[in-house]
Amino acid sequence: GAGVSQSPSNKVTEKGKDVELRCDPISGHTALYWYRQSLGQGLEFLIYFQGNSAPDKSGLPSDRFSAERTGGSVSTLTIQRTQQEDSAVYLCASSLGGQLGNEQFFGPGTRLTVL
Amino acid sequence: AQSVTQLGSHVSVSEGALVLLRCNYSSSVPPYLFWYVQYPNQGLQLLLKYTTGATLVKGINGFEAEFKKSETSFHLTKPSAHMSDAAEYFCAVRNGGATNKLIFGTGTLLAVQP
Repeated sequence: GAGVSQSPSNKVTEKGKDVELRCDPISGHTALYWYRQSLGQGLEFLIYFQGNSAPDKSGLPSDRFSAERTGGSVSTLTIQRTQQEDSAVYLCASSLGGQLGNEQFFGPGTRLTVL
Repeated sequence: AQSVTQLGSHVSVSEGALVLLRCNYSSSVPPYLFWYVQYPNQGLQLLLKYTTGATLVKGINGFEAEFKKSETSFHLTKPSAHMSDAAEYFCAVRNGGATNKLIFGTGTLLAVQP
């Protein structure tokens, strides 16, 4: 079956512009996670969705970052007024639920470059 | 709070040699531990996980890991390296809260020499 997909695969933007990153989780997966992978910080958790709700937003680095999920499926991560330090690979993962030990399946990521 | 330490950001082995990638964790709750592999320009793929039960866990591609509570370790091993094993490997521990989010180590890049 289809795995987690993300689009675009690459995004180059200018400092100060807004960007939207999309994640399509595996069908039927109620839990969705965003992580960021950068050279200086490694792999960091950003936000967790259970259904359309986001009970854990603790990893969002600033109020320029926001995310939503609609229909319990697709999620969009929005970064406003991008800065060069936002350059990273943004990874999305989904799992059957938030229960302990459930495997998270990762998408290929979106590589964001802010010039 | 949970954390993971991976010793050695770069490891190089010869084809056919033993692979040993080290991971130590800190967790205030019973740990659930994971090893993921990332091939170039791809997402993360689960190699194996420990939740409860048997402490020696076998995963895909011939990898295995042993949970040692007394040493707070979860080292990844493979008896004989193959060229296709060259990738970056991440150890992770689940967060102790209700979200099951993962806390990752900084990764180990494995090179396999012919």
